[in-house]
Amino acid sequence: GQQLNQSPQSMFIQEGEDVSMNCTSSSIFNTWLWYKQEPGEGPVLLIALYKAGELTSNGRLTAQFGITRKDSFLNISASIPSDVGIYFCACPTTSGTYKYIFGTGTRLKVLA
Amino acid sequence: DSGVTQTPKHLITATGQRVTLRCSPRSGDLSVYWYQQSLDQGLQFLIQYYNGEERAKGNILERFSAQQFPDLHSELNLSSLELGDSALYFCASSAQGLAGEYNEQFFGPGTRLTVL
Repeated sequence: GQQLNQSPQSMFIQEGEDVSMNCTSSSIFNTWLWYKQEPGEGPVLLIALYKAGELTSNGRLTAQFGITRKDSFLNISASIPSDVGIYFCACPTTSGTYKYIFGTGTRLKVLA
Repeated sequence: DSGVTQTPKHLITATGQRVTLRCSPRSGDLSVYWYQQSLDQGLQFLIQYYNGEERAKGNILERFSAQQFPDLHSELNLSSLELGDSALYFCASSAQGLAGEYNEQFFGPGTRLTVL
């Protein structure tokens, strides 16, 4: 089945550092979504990507839709303590099953 | 605020009981999804409805059922509850594109179910 492999699994960084995480798959997807989830809260949509090669920013966040349509990355610049959380990538399936597939998540901790 | 609402925020009940979780999708969204998230786990897809009809099923137990009403709100019914059913339950909604594609999915704040 279609799967999303997300890395790294966790990151400990110093405040002010830049962060990079990625999501890869052996399958092709037409949409890539990036979410952030804080403990006990619902995932919040950060960035949506619709075209191969597309680079989109949302404040300090930048995400790109890989040219092969099999990967995506998310960068966070100048991290701050409130960036702490779990970041998920997600894609609507292309197999006609109307589901979304989620990556395993990258747990980010920021040390002040 | 995603525009997706869920009630109640917290629910504490005993084993063997039955509960109903409620979700209202974003205005205009016809699709509703239900997910279960156990402690420190990923999101497990349970079921999806589109405009009142079941569209996709995931790892949903037979003790669980859902429906979507004409006003598009949805309810997830959990019966014969077990300790292992304790989890966060999220509802999400999405709009369907002109070509039938599903794009952004927006999540509600979740219901935390504790079974004692």
